[in-house]
Amino acid sequence: EPEVTQTPSHQVTQMGQEVILRCVPISNHLYFYWYRQILGQKVEFLVSFYNNEISEKSEIFDDQFSVERPDGSNFTLKIRSTKLEDSAMYFCASSVGDRGYGYTFGSGTRLTVV
Amino acid sequence: GENVEQHPSTLSVQEGDSAVIKCTYSDSASNYFPWYKQELGKRPQLIIDIRSNVGEKKDQRIAVTLNKTAKHFSLHITETQPEDSAVYFCAAQSQNYGGSQGNLIFGKGTKLSVKP
Repeated sequence: EPEVTQTPSHQVTQMGQEVILRCVPISNHLYFYWYRQILGQKVEFLVSFYNNEISEKSEIFDDQFSVERPDGSNFTLKIRSTKLEDSAMYFCASSVGDRGYGYTFGSGTRLTVV
Repeated sequence: GENVEQHPSTLSVQEGDSAVIKCTYSDSASNYFPWYKQELGKRPQLIIDIRSNVGEKKDQRIAVTLNKTAKHFSLHITETQPEDSAVYFCAAQSQNYGGSQGNLIFGKGTKLSVKP
């Protein structure tokens, strides 16, 4: 079964540093998403991406965040200057269409900001 | 925007009993409602979903019902087993014909414990 893969599985970074989280969506999927989950809390939408541009973003996704699809396969989330409150599990997801078909989550990257 | 409320936050049942988790949503344009199971430290796994043109869907021990008028949907697990213990999240997805909108809005989750 096709999978969304994420790297690294765990990233520890110092406050103020930049981090890049990487995702490889399922190859025939067209819509890509980032979500985050603070420990013990619900999954929160960050951003959706389609046709090489952001289609929607939440209020969490401020100027410190950016997304990119640099080479047609990877989908990255960059946090420019990490804060302690950025510590969370970050999930990438992809779907065939924008109506929930084949919506698949990656295994996540646990980001710890110290 | 969409807001999803989920109850209860914790649910403890005896093995073999049924479990019911309920969610309400606010956006009448929402038309896709998946349920996810998340085990500790792992990704959310889709267990069942329902679209707004259907009132009920069943897959073995799991069923989901949708009441569009009342804007609520429920997950029903029958004959619960210890391996059903996990956090369950409901979600809602709006459809906006004016633009691509595939993001899911999640409820806060229900921690289900099934006691042997």
